[in-house]
Amino acid sequence: NAGVMQNPRHLVRRRGQEARLRCSPMKGHSHVYWYRQLPEEGLKFMVYLQKENIIDESGMPKERFSAEFPKEGPSILRIQQVVRGDSAAYFCASSPSSGSTEAFFGQGTRLTVV
Amino acid sequence: GIQVEQSPPDLILQEGANSTLRCNFSDSVNNLQWFHQNPWGQLINLFYIPSGTKQNGRLSATTVATERYSLLYISSSQTTDSGVYFCAVMYGNNRLAFGKGNQVVVIP
Repeated sequence: NAGVMQNPRHLVRRRGQEARLRCSPMKGHSHVYWYRQLPEEGLKFMVYLQKENIIDESGMPKERFSAEFPKEGPSILRIQQVVRGDSAAYFCASSPSSGSTEAFFGQGTRLTVV
Repeated sequence: GIQVEQSPPDLILQEGANSTLRCNFSDSVNNLQWFHQNPWGQLINLFYIPSGTKQNGRLSATTVATERYSLLYISSSQTTDSGVYFCAVMYGNNRLAFGKGNQVVVIP
């Protein structure tokens, strides 16, 4: 049973470009979460999605960031017009259902904005 | 929002030593997880432990939900135990709130 798969592992973008981060949840999991880890900090919640629905995006910056989890295919975290402050590790997690269930994390995508 | 505090922030251990990491949280939670982030940045699930005690090899964890804390025990530490240990609590709408982590270095 493959774990949560994220790609790419590393992504370098110039200021002003777009970054697209992909996440495939574990088999049988329909709930996806995105977290961001800034240097020397813990992880911060960004967004919680189910298939075709955004459940909670209260942790997402108001501008330039968006997320989707389509009926088919991986979840996508999209960052438009990246700035140096967007440089961070972005982790995706999945769980089988809502409520008190264990979340499993992917290996993360390390975004570097130059 | 909910506050999660981990102590000690940094810990240096001689190989073979035992240690205890602590996680305090400020409100009632739906569950609690411990993770190990290895030097390559990967987050490894250690325990899903909303209450009670669990053991997995040289690691064990105890959560006392009524007193809002959890403990992670590392026994007979090995150099591969080095990394950052995160406590995370679930609250509200399936959100995990993370502490800032315990940075552990095990020296041979």
